[in-house]
Amino acid sequence: SAVISQKPSRDICQRGTSLTIQCQVDSQVTMMFWYRQQPGQSLTLIATANQGSEATYESGFVIDKFPISRPNLTFSTLTVSNMSPEDSSIYLCSVPGQGVYGYTFGSGTRLTVV
Amino acid sequence: GQNIDQPTEMTATEGAIVQINCTYQTSGFNGLFWYQQHAGEAPTFLSYNVLDGLEEKGRFSSFLSRSKGYSYLLLKELQMKDSASYLCAVRNSGYSTLTFGKGTMLLVSP
Repeated sequence: SAVISQKPSRDICQRGTSLTIQCQVDSQVTMMFWYRQQPGQSLTLIATANQGSEATYESGFVIDKFPISRPNLTFSTLTVSNMSPEDSSIYLCSVPGQGVYGYTFGSGTRLTVV
Repeated sequence: GQNIDQPTEMTATEGAIVQINCTYQTSGFNGLFWYQQHAGEAPTFLSYNVLDGLEEKGRFSSFLSRSKGYSYLLLKELQMKDSASYLCAVRNSGYSTLTFGKGTMLLVSP
């Protein structure tokens, strides 16, 4: 299965600022996914990052708040814009596995907005 | 859309067997996954079912009944390190996205 390097692992940010999270995959993948996991909650899909086209956002998430880049088949970024304390969460990227292998997740970015 | 239900918490004793249930209602289905997540860590893949029946992988087994919208994860010979959250996730047909249940927090005691 793929190996994902996600950065930063954690950050504390001031409200009103933006943070960009990066994910680098060790193999080419068509789709990458971005999830949010709020404290004590399960994973919620933010968007699907497609190479060569705009990201597909889930209900409740918009491009202005969570712009995504996907410049090639091994890399993607998620920006959390104009942050508020409600954005304090863990953000994870993920890629599909091959065949019966499950989806692989990055190690996550723990974001605290103060 | 998807609706996935699993118990919030379960407790069990070291060496015992525990079964974590997951029910789902979906407009499309293309497989069910189970993940383990320790506190502060990313989810790790445990099992995958797309056809009805039981899949066994060592101490872990997973069962699926598509007609009933039901799956379970069976953990045998429980160890303290099995204390974690267990997430049931359904893959949507026609897409590759996963929808996760809220997770079941399993506490294994001595």
